[in-house]
Amino acid sequence: EPEVTQTPSHQVTQMGQEVILRCVPISNHLYFYWYRQILGQKVEFLVSFYNNEISEKSEIFDDQFSVERPDGSNFTLKIRSTKLEDSAMYFCASSWSRVKEGYTFGSGTRLTVV
Amino acid sequence: AQTVTQSQPEMSVQEAETVTLSCTYDTSESNYYLFWYKQPPSRQMILVIRQEAYKQQNATENRFSVNFQKAAKSFSLKISDSQLGGTAMYFCAFMREEYGGSQGNLIFGKGTKLSVKP
Repeated sequence: EPEVTQTPSHQVTQMGQEVILRCVPISNHLYFYWYRQILGQKVEFLVSFYNNEISEKSEIFDDQFSVERPDGSNFTLKIRSTKLEDSAMYFCASSWSRVKEGYTFGSGTRLTVV
Repeated sequence: AQTVTQSQPEMSVQEAETVTLSCTYDTSESNYYLFWYKQPPSRQMILVIRQEAYKQQNATENRFSVNFQKAAKSFSLKISDSQLGGTAMYFCAFMREEYGGSQGNLIFGKGTKLSVKP
């Protein structure tokens, strides 16, 4: 069964550093998403991406965040200057169509900012 | 704004028994979708079951079924014949209908930690 692949599984970074979280969505999917889950809290929407541009973003997705689809397969989330409160699990997801069917999520990247 | 509430932070069930997880939501929308996701210790979010609000029939998927009460804005998940591999966080999620080819995003509840005991 096709999977959404996220790398790395765990990343530790120093406060103020830039990080790039990588995702390989399912190959024929057209819609891409990033969500995050702070430990012990609910999963929160960050951003959705379609046709090479951001479709929707949440209040969390401020100027420190950016997304990119640099080639036909990768979908990245960049945090320019990490803060302690950015520590969380970051989930990538993709879907083939309008998402009433539900997305396919990746296994997540655990980001720890120290 | 839509909200999703899961009032049971933790539950446990004996292997092979049945358990029901509660979820309520608040929305002014008439068309929307509801989901249950499972997150085992591996942390991956796995879709368990989904329900379209315009369908009166409750969705079923093998051992999983829902009780969708639109007027009450309730969407509970029943797990039959619970298995040890079912120990996980279960998240209820809401998505409003989108039009014009745009997408919706998921609004999650805080989750219920289900432990399946031998």
